[in-house]
Amino acid sequence: DAGVIQSPRHEVTEMGQEVTLRCKPISGHNSLFWYRQTMMRGLELLIYFNNNVPIDDSGMPEDRFSAKMPNASFSTLKIQPSEPRDSAVYFCASSPERGGLSEQFFGPGTRLTVL
Amino acid sequence: KQEVTQIPAALSVPEGENLVLNCSFTDSAIYNLQWFRQDPGKGLTSLLLIQSSQREQTSGRLNASLDKSSGRSTLYIAASQPGDSATYLCAGYGSARQLTFGSGTQLTVLP
Repeated sequence: DAGVIQSPRHEVTEMGQEVTLRCKPISGHNSLFWYRQTMMRGLELLIYFNNNVPIDDSGMPEDRFSAKMPNASFSTLKIQPSEPRDSAVYFCASSPERGGLSEQFFGPGTRLTVL
Repeated sequence: KQEVTQIPAALSVPEGENLVLNCSFTDSAIYNLQWFRQDPGKGLTSLLLIQSSQREQTSGRLNASLDKSSGRSTLYIAASQPGDSATYLCAGYGSARQLTFGSGTQLTVLP
């Protein structure tokens, strides 16, 4: 298995632009997670899906952030409009069981820079 | 709310030394604890997962323990190598129903 796949690996954009991050989880995994990592706040859970349904989006910072999972093999995290404070590394992870009851496997991340 | 603390923030050891990384958590109602490794500019690699019913897990030179009553977990690395240099993160899954991460210990193994 190729593991969790994320694209793009790096994104540089200007404030106000829309940003879309993509994730393909490991085949057969039921749960998908979006995390954000910054120096100041460490790793934070933004949202997680179970069987393509959003279960907990309490970590989504504000309405500018939205996430979708149209099918079991694809998810997107969208920021519109982007702001400089959104600059961070965004990780997608998947897990074979619901929530965090089993091991989570992380993708390589997308490094986002908003100018 | 679960809080996870890792001390020290950074550790430097000579090659070949055995070492212990510490992780403490506040929510004793923890379901599992996971140790990860993160190399600079890379994603997280899962090392070990300990379920709440287990006391330890081993993989190669790595051994992780979990003591729920004291709110502590340790990651033991035997015969450290320069390739072990990375940041090690622990994360607990508890009553908040999400993984809560520590801030990590940056390990440097000197050749």
